[in-house]
Amino acid sequence: GAVVSQHPSRVICKSGTSVKIECRSLDFQATTMFWYRQFPKKSLMLMATSNEGSKATYEQGVEKDKFLINHASLTLSTLTVTSAHPEDSSFYICSAGDRVGYEQYFGPGTRLTVT
Amino acid sequence: KQEVTQIPAALSVPEGENLVLNCSFTDSAIYNLQWFRQDPGKGLTSLLLIQSSQREQTSGRLNASLDKSSGRSTLYIAASQPGDSATYLCAVLYNFNKFYFGSGTKLNVKP
Repeated sequence: GAVVSQHPSRVICKSGTSVKIECRSLDFQATTMFWYRQFPKKSLMLMATSNEGSKATYEQGVEKDKFLINHASLTLSTLTVTSAHPEDSSFYICSAGDRVGYEQYFGPGTRLTVT
Repeated sequence: KQEVTQIPAALSVPEGENLVLNCSFTDSAIYNLQWFRQDPGKGLTSLLLIQSSQREQTSGRLNASLDKSSGRSTLYIAASQPGDSATYLCAVLYNFNKFYFGSGTKLNVKP
């Protein structure tokens, strides 16, 4: 199957700083990528849909000024958590959509800890 | 509002048992349904994808069924092994943008 990578896999930052997470589709072009957040022992919640060359579409309740999403190319989307706070600590997972069959391929996730 | 529910939340079985995980969804107008495996602190591994027009999919010891009319899917694991221990997530795709996840079933297979 298709491969999606995320970097970094784990990051610890201080409150008030910004953190950028990269999501790359390694062997296919993804016109659309998705960002999810997973709280401990909870399921994945879709945060936003990232479309190449256009603005991201955010789910209700997700602050677009806090979670900046950029999809600069067909293989790269970035999520920047701005002015991070401890409550932003979570597991962030991206996926890239395969329009054929609508299958999504998931990255390995990024564990963010804000101290 | 689309909701995806998985039961049980946790399951512990001895090695070698066959088991069934359940997933139910409220809106039957789905594009597809996927079963994933998630190991602690890790990302998702896709196990099986069932298109809305299909009734089941099989891969090795895994068999997933889909009944759209009743809003249900099951994941059957045959001859379970300790290596099968993980959290299993069911996800339903309603359109290209909306992928709804269940809260998962945490499986423990005891040697």
